[in-house]
Amino acid sequence: GAVVSQHPSRVICKSGTSVKIECRSLDFQATTMFWYRQFPKQSLMLMATSNEGSKATYEQGVEKDKFLINHASLTLSTLTVTSAHPEDSSFYICSVRDSSSDEQFFGPGTRLTVL
Amino acid sequence: AQRVTQPEKLLSVFKGAPVELKCNYSYSGSPELFWYVQYSRQRLQLLLRHISRESIKGFTADLNKGETSFHLKKPFAQEEDSAMYYCALRVNRAGGKLIFGQGTELSVKP
Repeated sequence: GAVVSQHPSRVICKSGTSVKIECRSLDFQATTMFWYRQFPKQSLMLMATSNEGSKATYEQGVEKDKFLINHASLTLSTLTVTSAHPEDSSFYICSVRDSSSDEQFFGPGTRLTVL
Repeated sequence: AQRVTQPEKLLSVFKGAPVELKCNYSYSGSPELFWYVQYSRQRLQLLLRHISRESIKGFTADLNKGETSFHLKKPFAQEEDSAMYYCALRVNRAGGKLIFGQGTELSVKP
């Protein structure tokens, strides 16, 4: 089946620094990718829809200047958490929609800890 | 407003007992509903979708538009069914974004 990878799997950074998370679609080209945030044993909260070659669409309440999304190719989307603070510590998950099967495949997630 | 509600945070049953994980949705359009499962230390994966009307790992779910529900059922729970289960609603068919419920942790005891 389709495989979605994320890198890094976990990252620890100091408050005020920026962190970049990559999401790669390994089996098919994806014009649309999604970024979610998940707190322990809680739901996935959609942050934004990443569109290849155009600006991302952010959900209400998500700061676009805080969470920068770049979808420069059909297999790669990046999420950059700028000037990270401890409250940004969370599990960030991307998903990729396979238009042929109409199914969404999820990455393994990235655990971000901001000290 | 688009919303998915899973009223139970935790559901604990014994092996062999029937299981029903509740899901209700709120959506003005034509709903597309899914159940996703997340086993311990694994990524989220699709369990089933209402349009397929199939049974996966013994689980079934029927869309009830009158009650705006999409409950997940299994007649005889197994220990390996222990996991987090998320009900999801897909909105804007072209965009494909999913709205997730809060999740229900299913614990099947021996």
